[in-house]
Amino acid sequence: GDSVTQMEGPVTLSEEAFLTINCTYTATGYPSLFWYVQYPGEGLQLLLKATKADDKGSNKGFEATYRKETTSFHLEKGSVQVSDSAVYFCALIETGANNLFFGTGTRLTVIP
Amino acid sequence: DTGVSQNPRHKITKRGQNVTFRCDPISEHNRLYWYRQTLGQGPEFLTYFQNEAQLEKSRLLSDRFSAERPKGSFSTLEIQRTEQGDSAMYLCASSLGANSGNTIYFGEGSWLTVV
Repeated sequence: GDSVTQMEGPVTLSEEAFLTINCTYTATGYPSLFWYVQYPGEGLQLLLKATKADDKGSNKGFEATYRKETTSFHLEKGSVQVSDSAVYFCALIETGANNLFFGTGTRLTVIP
Repeated sequence: DTGVSQNPRHKITKRGQNVTFRCDPISEHNRLYWYRQTLGQGPEFLTYFQNEAQLEKSRLLSDRFSAERPKGSFSTLEIQRTEQGDSAMYLCASSLGANSGNTIYFGEGSWLTVV
């Protein structure tokens, strides 16, 4: 079955540090891949997505590349800010399917 | 475009009571989803509507749960005879079209605490 595995948190970084949050997936077909972010007390917001192999999604300085050969979609940012503190979820949806599968989330705390 | 709207945002109820949550999707979106999220976990799919038709239900959706979308616009999720294990955040989401790569937009969620 489909599944998403994220690196366990919490992750604590100093402002301007480099961020990587690992995500690998298992899917039977060719899924679309997503990163969602959840700020404290709020719902999920789409951060970026990629719908086919080698696509790179990017938004607000965050990037992730769809790597079919390693079944990965790692999230990166070159210089984090305090305002990036949140929980980040990797997710997939199979082609033709109707539901997103989420990882368990990675909590990021950025300290000044 | 006001996004996906959910209410109430918070609900505390006694075990055994019924609760109902409402979701108003983004206006032109024909697909509507309900997810459940417990502390420290990612959201889990509950059910999905295309227009007014409920096309898919997860095994997580026990017979105490019922969801409706009577006119293909807003949706309600009712939980009957609540149990403490129902305590969670219930997330509604919507999307446009049949392409699985289309973005699914989430609301801010409705927190349920069963005491």
